[in-house]
Amino acid sequence: DVVLTQSPLSLPVTLGQPASISCRSSQSLVYSDGNTYLNWFQQRPGQSPRRIIYYVSRRDSGVPDRFSGSGSGTDFTLQISRVEAEDVGVYYCMQGSHWPGTFGQGTKVEIK
Amino acid sequence: VQLVESGGGLVQPGMSLRLSCAASGFTFNNYGMHWVRQVPDKGLEWLTVISFDGQKKYYRDSVKGRFTISRDNSKNMLFLEMSSLRTDDTATYYCAKGVKLATSINFDSWGLGTLVTVSS
Repeated sequence: DVVLTQSPLSLPVTLGQPASISCRSSQSLVYSDGNTYLNWFQQRPGQSPRRIIYYVSRRDSGVPDRFSGSGSGTDFTLQISRVEAEDVGVYYCMQGSHWPGTFGQGTKVEIK
Repeated sequence: VQLVESGGGLVQPGMSLRLSCAASGFTFNNYGMHWVRQVPDKGLEWLTVISFDGQKKYYRDSVKGRFTISRDNSKNMLFLEMSSLRTDDTATYYCAKGVKLATSINFDSWGLGTLVTVSS
């Protein structure tokens, strides 16, 4: 299975400051159709996961534009330009390019 | 989109359990549907997907032969039949809405989840 390695696993951030989460894949996530099926999910405390980024960099409907995704091949990044209190939670990357789909271990974002 | 799982609970190792997911707010019979689980305070694991018409089903190796996914498009319902349950199947099980007319592993909506505890 493809292994996704996230770092850091814990990310204390000051309100209003930027945050960045890395997701590295054990294999290229470029699929045979040319697309890269790399998603980011946010799981707030006590809630179900919610997809916020798909196809590396496309924001889901209703997701604030302070969230952005980037990367290619095996290296991907989720950035929050200015962290707000509602951004606290665990963030997971997930790949759907190789069978079976796999998730990263999760990065816990908390406010300092 | 609303997805509501049910059927979780406490079950002994080796026993069976059937989970259900009631879907609403979208054209259910147009979308692949998935089950994903989360071990308490741990990460996420994709389990299985069923095509929009129920004809194609795919499983991860660890549940193949023990879990069966099915759907009833007339009732907008998704099911997961789990047998030979093990203690390491203890998790919150989520149903998730997949991709239109495809079984790609991608999901844009999740249910609230139902907790399955396997213990003697």
